[in-house]
Amino acid sequence: AQSVTQLDSHVSVSEGTPVLLRCNYSSSYSPSLFWYVQHPNKGLQLLLKYTSAATLVKGINGFEAEFKKSETSFHLTKPSAHMSDAAEYFCVVSGNTNAGKSTFGDGTTLTVKP
Amino acid sequence: EAQVTQNPRYLITVTGKKLTVTCSQNMNHEYMSWYRQDPGLGLRQIYYSMNVEVTDKGDVPEGYKVSRKEKRNFPLILESPSPNQTSLYFCASSLLQTNTEAFFGQGTRLTVV
Repeated sequence: AQSVTQLDSHVSVSEGTPVLLRCNYSSSYSPSLFWYVQHPNKGLQLLLKYTSAATLVKGINGFEAEFKKSETSFHLTKPSAHMSDAAEYFCVVSGNTNAGKSTFGDGTTLTVKP
Repeated sequence: EAQVTQNPRYLITVTGKKLTVTCSQNMNHEYMSWYRQDPGLGLRQIYYSMNVEVTDKGDVPEGYKVSRKEKRNFPLILESPSPNQTSLYFCASSLLQTNTEAFFGQGTRLTVV
């Protein structure tokens, strides 16, 4: 079985300050992990993915995430928030032998204050 | 342009009236999936398909059917919709069953009254 917990349902930061969105996962297999972003009234877009290569993964728009197996975490970070980063973010776990199932976290809404 | 196309984007229907939401992708992807998104619950997987004629249940399959008769299309069928199926639905496709980026449609907002 696999599961994902996004530890914060809402995160609020000021423009120009760092962003940290936290994600813990559980998987019986070596997981693939993803972060997706959803802007209001839009579909989902991939930010970055981990698939058992480098543990520090760089994504689009300055985001990165670090896979920590010992902590079963995959937190998303960005050094400096921009107003356009305001959106909902989803952490996703996908088991490479778990026959096609993908499990999403409940989402974290990021607010960026001017 | 590579894309996943869902239709309709918005739909209001009445309880019990059968409906189909279509999903089509032009990337020759093997894997396709349907999700529903409800506030505070993230996206929950309804059904997925790893290839033509191969479909399987996700986490919330009750009340839904799917078919995969050709690679590009993966329609979602609600035989007898009920108000608890009011939700935002997303179709997604990816090259392989897992481990690769999923491309999402723009969503279908369904209201069942």
